[in-house]
Amino acid sequence: DGGITQSPKYLFRKEGQNVTLSCEQNLNHDAMYWYRQDPGQGLRLIYYSQIVNDFQKGDIAEGYSVSREKKESFPLTVTSAQKNPTAFYLCASSVLAGGPYEQYFGPGTRLTVT
Amino acid sequence: GNSVTQMEGPVTLSEEAFLTINCTYTATGYPSLFWYVQYPGEGLQLLLKATKADDKGSNKGFEATYRKETTSFHLEKGSVQVSDSAVYFCALSDQRGAGGTSYGKLTFGQGTILTVHP
Repeated sequence: DGGITQSPKYLFRKEGQNVTLSCEQNLNHDAMYWYRQDPGQGLRLIYYSQIVNDFQKGDIAEGYSVSREKKESFPLTVTSAQKNPTAFYLCASSVLAGGPYEQYFGPGTRLTVT
Repeated sequence: GNSVTQMEGPVTLSEEAFLTINCTYTATGYPSLFWYVQYPGEGLQLLLKATKADDKGSNKGFEATYRKETTSFHLEKGSVQVSDSAVYFCALSDQRGAGGTSYGKLTFGQGTILTVHP
């Protein structure tokens, strides 16, 4: 079945450590996205990528980094510079040709930093 | 810039009640519109979509009509079930940029929590 996988589902880290969240898709989508969701709030865009080896900052990129070495993969690193890293992180992908650009989401990773 | 405004929740209904969740938007041009649903602890699932004015998206008993004149895309269901309890997000697609560059970015509303009691 085609879809998006995120691993792990739950992640615990100590403050000051970098942590990398995995996102893989087998939908052959060009674009991939990372969002952050805090309790009771909507989604905020962290980074997005439209093509391999290229990515753009979203609305809240500070303290995060990404790479896009393969079309299928878009890992997100939460660095120690991110002041409030505890959140639910969602990865998504979409086509870019022709629209209407609906995004398909993975199951999410809940990160807790103490 | 683009924006999406949803009615504030939470919304609490009894089973078999009629549901309306309001969504209005601001955008340049003619965006595509979406409703997503998020069950507890899960990612978002696309519920329905509409790509042009007067289009009606429908799925699993839910419907929404793209109203350009009122810039709205309200979600409705005639008879809700306990299993419909979730968070619902309205969203619109970004526009095709200059030179035909497509962005694919979505602008989301803040989400509306729906709880349905037996």
